[in-house]
Amino acid sequence: AQSVTQLGSHVSVSEGALVLLRCNYSSSVPPYLFWYVQYPNQGLQLLLKYTSAATLVKGINGFEAEFKKSETSFHLTKPSAHMSDAAEYFCAVSDYKLIFGTGTRLQVFP
Amino acid sequence: DGGITQSPKYLFRKEGQNVTLSCEQNLNHDAMYWYRQDPGQGLRLIYYSQIVNDFQKGDIAEGYSVSREKKESFPLTVTSAQKNPTAFYLCATGQGARETQYFGPGTRLLVL
Repeated sequence: AQSVTQLGSHVSVSEGALVLLRCNYSSSVPPYLFWYVQYPNQGLQLLLKYTSAATLVKGINGFEAEFKKSETSFHLTKPSAHMSDAAEYFCAVSDYKLIFGTGTRLQVFP
Repeated sequence: DGGITQSPKYLFRKEGQNVTLSCEQNLNHDAMYWYRQDPGQGLRLIYYSQIVNDFQKGDIAEGYSVSREKKESFPLTVTSAQKNPTAFYLCATGQGARETQYFGPGTRLLVL
């Protein structure tokens, strides 16, 4: 069965600092992997998607993620945090359905 | 204007009452999904439909029912059998298995 694990339910960074949100996956087949962002009381918005093409995937709002098969990881990064990045972030793996991690809440301090 | 609409934004349920959450899309997507979101638990799949007049149970279908009579619409009924319905409900659409899913704005259900 496929699954994802997001390490750290809360991450805090200062504005301008590196953002690193961790996601590890388990899959018996080549995975499709996703990162979504959710702002308070809103739906989820797709940040980026990995589908076995390039291992470094660039998304919206300056985010990117690198697929590392040897580490079964798909961590999300952004070089410089902005106050508007404060939100909850979900990693997901796709089987016949999307299987979500439990989410990481990102706080950005001025 | 293309997209996914969910209504109402807030819904209050009394004990023993069935309530229906609406999800409509004009993206011409074949697949539609209902998720329940609780704090700290991520999203859990309730029901999904890959084609009109067909739907399958997800991981937490007990106490819920759906219909898919039109491609554009996938309403979710929270029945009185669902003893803990307070949650944020999200509808999503997509082109099928392993494809990107696009989410509506959500409905927050509260129990009076």
